[in-house]
Amino acid sequence: DAGITQSPRHKVTETGTPVTLRCHQTENHRYMYWYRQDPGHGLRLIHYSYGVKDTDKGEVSDGYSVSRSKTEDFLLTLESATSSQTSVYFCAIRAGTGEDNEQFFGPGTRLTVL
Amino acid sequence: ELKVEQNPLFLSMQEGKNYTIYCNYSTTSDRLYWYRQDPGKSLESLFVLLSNGAVKQEGRLMASLDTKARLSTLHITAAVHDLSATYFCAVDRDDKIIFGKGTRLHILP
Repeated sequence: DAGITQSPRHKVTETGTPVTLRCHQTENHRYMYWYRQDPGHGLRLIHYSYGVKDTDKGEVSDGYSVSRSKTEDFLLTLESATSSQTSVYFCAIRAGTGEDNEQFFGPGTRLTVL
Repeated sequence: ELKVEQNPLFLSMQEGKNYTIYCNYSTTSDRLYWYRQDPGKSLESLFVLLSNGAVKQEGRLMASLDTKARLSTLHITAAVHDLSATYFCAVDRDDKIIFGKGTRLHILP
């Protein structure tokens, strides 16, 4: 599992509340990613990071912000959760170079916004 | 903008048969990945393809890459029930890794 953990693993919240999801890695990888997975859409990239304090937007970044103040932690924040953000959220790291370059995924966080 | 398309999106097949999943992408890429996901689980890396003509095999799965056609294939040989899962391709360009919608593979005994 490349030492990736996500917390919480499950969360139910109400519309309009802020939510922060945490991704933690233990192997000092530079690249970290946040995806959401919804039926019929596959995985869609929300934001990614290429180093401490270095982040960029993905395909579906509206309504989400991220922060990376330490190599090991990549936080995803929903400032004001909406029902459309009900989803399974996966964090991933990228390790290796060339053909040894792979993405490894965390276990996922199931978020329900009521 | 990078787009990744997989087809078919759903495939039901008999054990022992061969089949191919296709992954097309819209711009040049740095590398292409294939993943497997079982229901309720996370994603597992299967293959990483870097160069034109690259072919990799693991058991009954073989992946290939044609960068000129912007096409990758995942070929399943003599399918077995254990290969039932959802398979994703993903394309890496400028550090963004974009996924296709996935192919849900159901192998009937």
